[in-house]
Parts: sequence; C-alpha cells; structure tokens
Amino acid sequence: NAGVTQTPKFRVLKTGQSMTLLCAQDMNHEYMYWYRQDPGMGLRLIHYSVGEGTTAKGEVPDGYNVSRLKKQNFLLGLESAAPSQTSVYFCASSYGEQHTDTQYFGPGTRLTVL
Amino acid sequence: AQKITQTQPGMFVQEKEAVTLDCTYDTSDQSYGLFWYKQPSSGEMIFLIYQGSYDEQNATEGRYSLNFQKARKSANLVISASQLGDSAMYFCAMRERGGSYIPTFGRGTSLIVHP
Repeated sequence: NAGVTQTPKFRVLKTGQSMTLLCAQDMNHEYMYWYRQDPGMGLRLIHYSVGEGTTAKGEVPDGYNVSRLKKQNFLLGLESAAPSQTSVYFCASSYGEQHTDTQYFGPGTRLTVL
Repeated sequence: AQKITQTQPGMFVQEKEAVTLDCTYDTSDQSYGLFWYKQPSSGEMIFLIYQGSYDEQNATEGRYSLNFQKARKSANLVISASQLGDSAMYFCAMRERGGSYIPTFGRGTSLIVHP
C-alpha cells in the first residue's frame, strides 16, 4: 500500500501561472482533504470531499478549485497563482466522518510563487 | 475563536526525560475525538494517538500517552523517556459533530530534545 501520495513534491510558479496538484490514495477512503501549512498557523483546510463527485469549501478556499472525479484522486487547482499561495500543501484522507476516523496524510507539496 | 489551542510554541527537554505538550479544546458537543500528530523536519504528518470523548481510560501508544481531562477540556500529550528522534512539531486536532466532524488543528508545538 502506497497510502496517500502527492505530486509534485516541489514546484516554483510565477505570479499568474496555473497548476494542479494531484493527490491519490489507495485505501478506499471516502473522505479526502486539502490543507495548507504556513509557519505558525498550523494546518488550515482549503477544500474537502465526502465522496466521488462531491466537494466542499473549507476555511481558506479562495483562489483554489478542486475536483474529485474518481474516488481515489483529489485534485487541487490554482488558476492564477499569487505569492500569498506560497505554502506547503498537504492532502489527507480518512475512511469516513466519524469522530474516531484517523486522517492519513501525504508527504506534502512545497509550492513557491514568485 | 480557536477550537484547538496549543499555548507552547516551543519546548525543550533533556533526553530520557518525560515531557508534556499542552492542548486545550473548545466544543459543546458530547461526541468528539482528539488526535495528536508528529511532524519531523522531513515534513510528513505522522498520526500518534487518539482519544474519544467517551473513553474512560487515557489513551496510550508506546511512549505516548494522552492525559485527557474532560472537565477542563484538555488533552495533553505526554512523551515518556524522550529520544533525540522525538524532536519535531506536534499538532493537536479535534473532530466534533458541530464541525461536521471535519478535523481542525492547533498551531503546533515545536519540541527539541537535547542530548
């Protein structure tokens, strides 16, 4: 089992460029999440999905879009990157929504926007 | 208002000593779960321990234990016999019904273990 994987691991963009981050999980989890991590801020939820074909906004959704066309994949898109989107992005998945369900995280993507 | 508060930005401990990392939470739900994660310098998030609101016993996983004080709404992580490899960021998180069980995280505590 690979668990949760993210591609790419690193990326440098210029302001205004677009890109897509890919998250894949092989644990048959229903729930998937995208977080961003900034120094001193912990993890902040961008968007999440409760199943194939569904997405919902989290705490900091502006400037990002997501899609969940297949259960195992969750894509995060930046249409027009801004320096404020420089961050480390983590994808996570969990079996369901119960308070007992543990999240499993990918290794992260370090994005720099110049 | 912060749902999860970790008041210690940084902590230092001597190798082989025990250390407690603080976490307080805010919820009006009866049913919730509390989690601790470790993030070493390599960056990955590693699940350490879970405590359910209805669990009567404190959770234990090897050298990690969770000091759960429900009335005080605290869920402190205790690491016994610290090792150099315990140096990392530690995050407390909560799932609660009021938040649709979507996890929220604290800002983290940086732990440095000295030899």
